[in-house]
Amino acid sequence: QQQVKQSPQSLIVQKGGISIINCAYENTAFDYFPWYQQFPGKGPALLIAIRPDVSEKKEGRFTISFNKSAKQFSLHIMDSQPGDSATYFCAASRRRGSQGNLIFGKGTKLSVKP
Amino acid sequence: NAGVTQTPKFQVLKTGQSMTLQCAQDMNHNSMYWYRQDPGMGLRLIYYSASEGTTDKGEVPNGYNVSRLNKREFSLRLESAAPSQTSVYFCASLDRAPKDEQFFGPGTRLTVL
Repeated sequence: QQQVKQSPQSLIVQKGGISIINCAYENTAFDYFPWYQQFPGKGPALLIAIRPDVSEKKEGRFTISFNKSAKQFSLHIMDSQPGDSATYFCAASRRRGSQGNLIFGKGTKLSVKP
Repeated sequence: NAGVTQTPKFQVLKTGQSMTLQCAQDMNHNSMYWYRQDPGMGLRLIYYSASEGTTDKGEVPNGYNVSRLNKREFSLRLESAAPSQTSVYFCASLDRAPKDEQFFGPGTRLTVL
């Protein structure tokens, strides 16, 4: 059973455009929602994360929007650049009272065209 | 400060051969993880170790064993490799404060013929 569903599988955006990646989760016990960025040949690295007590978190051009009632969260990349071309993974975990293991979505391959 | 290191970077095995993937971290983290990454499947947890001396199964543990040798090192062993184990393997360690951030190694690309 896939607990975190991510879409789309791939995304092509023009330079300067907005990239949007969506994720949905099932387990209401999840209380931590990070996004990881992975460049080809490298390991994933934490990009930005949100906790369910806020609806939005912004860091530079990257914003997470969180909808607790719909059990959905999304990553928005404003003014997308060719250097943002990478695979993005959403994830979820339950921090309190557990090991905090991450459940990952299947990933979105983003290509930003110059 | 090297972070998380993995060896080897690449490996080709024949079906039935065994091998051990090595992982080490120098960040004094308690928790360590092994994932496999396959096209279109995301990152799937094989085994994890919450602390030195403990290990637990993740989502896809069959065909693998692990050893938490000490706080720094966490190894993954394939006793009898199968083509279905062809994958890219990532080791990670967890820093619970302040961001609950997992730090990943560069990966091992394994092909089983």
